[in-house]
Amino acid sequence: GDKVKQSPSALSLQEGTNSALRCNFSIAATTVQWFLQNPRGSLINLFYLVPGTKENGRLKSAFDSKESYSTLHIRDAQLEDSGTYFCAAEGANTGKLTFGDGTVLTVKP
Amino acid sequence: GPKVLQIPSHQIIDMGQMVTLNCDPVSNHLYFYWYKQILGQQMEFLVNFYNGKVMEKSKLFKDQFSVERPDGSYFTLKIQPTALEDSAVYFCASSYLGGGQNTLYFGAGTRLSVL
Repeated sequence: GDKVKQSPSALSLQEGTNSALRCNFSIAATTVQWFLQNPRGSLINLFYLVPGTKENGRLKSAFDSKESYSTLHIRDAQLEDSGTYFCAAEGANTGKLTFGDGTVLTVKP
Repeated sequence: GPKVLQIPSHQIIDMGQMVTLNCDPVSNHLYFYWYKQILGQQMEFLVNFYNGKVMEKSKLFKDQFSVERPDGSYFTLKIQPTALEDSAVYFCASSYLGGGQNTLYFGAGTRLSVL
């Protein structure tokens, strides 16, 4: 979508390597959430962020509200990391999320 | 983590018929949402619901759509009548607090196929 732009749209990684996904917002985002949609279609919560950073295992995410972007770093990529990563921004404390188009990640052995 | 259950996982229906999608949200959550994802496209917000009322709805939430949660049972999305363009995966979500104060938890989705 235009309001939440994700990059890259697709990414292929070798197992064990690192990468970063990015979301740029044209709305005044107050919070950001990152999800992984697995090949079965289920949405898995990864991060809920106010401005700042969070880390969970091999994943680390940052949200800069002033510069209107968020990043998701994947360290030591594993095969099970494959899927579509969505970022979603919430503006003006509405509880309504605007999703990006997703990044399709394929991790290869 | 907290689980949102959606029933059924797949529904096939003839155009013009009514369909009800069911969502069992996280037990202590107070805010409920429906999102729609057409195959290969991004997720789109439909509606949010709190204290028995629709708080906000998008342009995708047509007049044929309605939501309710009678007596704390399932949170439902009803489409009557259905149209071909309603074919999509519908995701239910819930949160304890509204206004972006905490994370949304999503169900696995109901794939609706309108023939």
